[in-house]
Amino acid sequence: SQTIHQWPATLVQPVGSPLSLECTVEGTSNPNLYWYRQAAGRGLQLLFYSVGIGQISSEVPQNLSASRPQDRQFILSSKKLLLSDSGFYLCAWSVRTAGTSTGELFFGEGSRLTVL
Amino acid sequence: QQPVQSPQAVILREGEDAVINCSSSKALYSVHWYRQKHGEAPVFLMILLKGGEQKGHEKISASFNEKKQQSSLYLTASQLSYSGTYFCGTEGSTLGRLYFGRGTQLTVWP
Repeated sequence: SQTIHQWPATLVQPVGSPLSLECTVEGTSNPNLYWYRQAAGRGLQLLFYSVGIGQISSEVPQNLSASRPQDRQFILSSKKLLLSDSGFYLCAWSVRTAGTSTGELFFGEGSRLTVL
Repeated sequence: QQPVQSPQAVILREGEDAVINCSSSKALYSVHWYRQKHGEAPVFLMILLKGGEQKGHEKISASFNEKKQQSSLYLTASQLSYSGTYFCGTEGSTLGRLYFGRGTQLTVWP
């Protein structure tokens, strides 16, 4: 069966510090991978989307970046955190099917980031 | 790209019905519905595809009107377990990218 792991679950970081959140998927190959951020009152905001290794689409210009060094690994990074980066970060995956709609998204447990 | 959900919040008694609406300014290929409990990850409820279909999941069903670019989620005879935040996610011509609304907070009281 497929599982998705996301870590760390919680972190508190000072403004200006770097960030690295990791996500790995098991039990499937060639998944679509996503990073979403959930901030109060803003719903689930799509940050990055990836269809394959090294293929990253950025949705929102900001000081965050994403990388996909392996097929089932997705990393969210920042060189210098801002207060506005605080939020609940969710990694998700879906089955990749060419030319058809996206299937169900499976979400990780999330990483709660507080920037002080 | 973000769809608009309404209402923002709903408070119900057990057994009452509710409707949550989702609309987009863009042409849609599919609409997803998810429910999120506090502090947890969203959980998938259903997908509706282009073609104006309706789907059901226990006492929760949904419709998708692609011409109006709208979808509605219907919760019938609500239960305490239905409490949570409901999100619609929309997929447009760029297949694979799912954009979510701001959510509708549903509270069911005994």
